[in-house]
Amino acid sequence: DAGVIQSPRHEVTEMGQEVTLRCKPISGHDYLFWYRQTMMRGLELLIYFNNNVPIDDSGMPEDRFSAKMPNASFSTLKIQPSEPRDSAVYFCASSLREADTQYFGPGTRLTVL
Amino acid sequence: EDQVTQSPEALRLQEGESSSLNCSYTVSGLRGLFWYRQDPGKGPEFLFTLYSAGEEKEKERLKATLTKKESFLHITAPKPEDSATYLCAVQVSGTNAGKSTFGDGTTLTVKP
Repeated sequence: DAGVIQSPRHEVTEMGQEVTLRCKPISGHDYLFWYRQTMMRGLELLIYFNNNVPIDDSGMPEDRFSAKMPNASFSTLKIQPSEPRDSAVYFCASSLREADTQYFGPGTRLTVL
Repeated sequence: EDQVTQSPEALRLQEGESSSLNCSYTVSGLRGLFWYRQDPGKGPEFLFTLYSAGEEKEKERLKATLTKKESFLHITAPKPEDSATYLCAVQVSGTNAGKSTFGDGTTLTVKP
């Protein structure tokens, strides 16, 4: 398997623009996680899905953030409108079962000017 | 609230100089403790899972141990290629059993 795939790898945008990050989990994995990593706050869980259903979105910072998982092989994290403080590396991870090892993608480095 | 604290924040070693990284946790009902390695510009990479106090896992120069309050990652005779940030994470029993709480990591630098 190719592992978790994320796109784009780098995104530079201007404040106020919409940003969409994409993730393809490992085939057969039932859980999908979105994280944000910054120097100040470390690795933070934003939201996670089980069998395409959102389970916990308490880490989503505000209404500007939304995530969807329309099928087992694709998820998106959308920020609208984006702000400079959203600049971070966003990781997607997937796991086979609950409380199992999470496999991380390479991340998307987002810069909002 | 579940808490995970890693120490030290940064560690500089000479090649061959063994040491340990610490991960202390305060959770209600530990289900598993995970160690990951993260290289610059990459996602965390899984190293070990520990489930119960007294458990130990080894891989090459790394050995992870677990007690009821903390975990140690022992590095024996490290090499420069062991330089990375090491993250620990906990998962708990209950409603959000699929959710991981990560520590802030220890950045290890091994000088040749």
